[in-house]
Amino acid sequence: EAGVTQSPTHLIKTRGQQATLRCSPISGHTSVYWYQQALGLGLQFLLWYDEGEERNRGNFPPRFSGRQFPNYSSELNVNALELEDSALYLCASSTGTSGDLTDTQYFGPGTRLTVL
Amino acid sequence: GESVGLHLPTLSVQEGDNSIINCAYSNSASDYFIWYKQESGKGPQFIIDIRSNMDKRQGQRVTVLLNKTVKHLSLQIAATQPGDSAVYFCAENYGGTSYGKLTFGQGTILTVHP
Repeated sequence: EAGVTQSPTHLIKTRGQQATLRCSPISGHTSVYWYQQALGLGLQFLLWYDEGEERNRGNFPPRFSGRQFPNYSSELNVNALELEDSALYLCASSTGTSGDLTDTQYFGPGTRLTVL
Repeated sequence: GESVGLHLPTLSVQEGDNSIINCAYSNSASDYFIWYKQESGKGPQFIIDIRSNMDKRQGQRVTVLLNKTVKHLSLQIAATQPGDSAVYFCAENYGGTSYGKLTFGQGTILTVHP
């Protein structure tokens, strides 16, 4: 069974540009999560989508946004890129069992975003 | 506040030894804890989880211990192998307004010497 896939693997942008990152969840999973892993800061929760709706959001500015498509894949958009947005962006998926805290999140390999 | 921290940032062991990685959490309302392993260039890989109504859970070569009294979590790896070398993260999920959000610790680097 294929795991979570992300594209592109690497992305280089300049300050002020927009970046679009994509994620395909494990087959049968309806929830998709986005995390930022900046150097020395661990993983920080960004967004959670389930059944096409944004369910929760971390402490990030509005220029971080995303969406989930009918096939449950997801896109993360980062507008007006800043140098400190350089990080590994990880996508995770889960079965989306409503109300179950133990709905395990499985991660993809990430997209390395570099802002110059 | 919302934080999950680690006591030791690095751990070096010999192949065949048992490893213990520790984690302290601050939210007494946390109900679910997970350990992930992240190898260089890869995303975090699920290892084992535990709910707050348990104090021990065993997997293949791994055991997670939860001490709610002192808000401490540990991951024990038996007969550590070179392939276990990675960064290990603990994470917590406490629902409520944070539902769906995992709060991660900073990570512990485990190095296994052959």
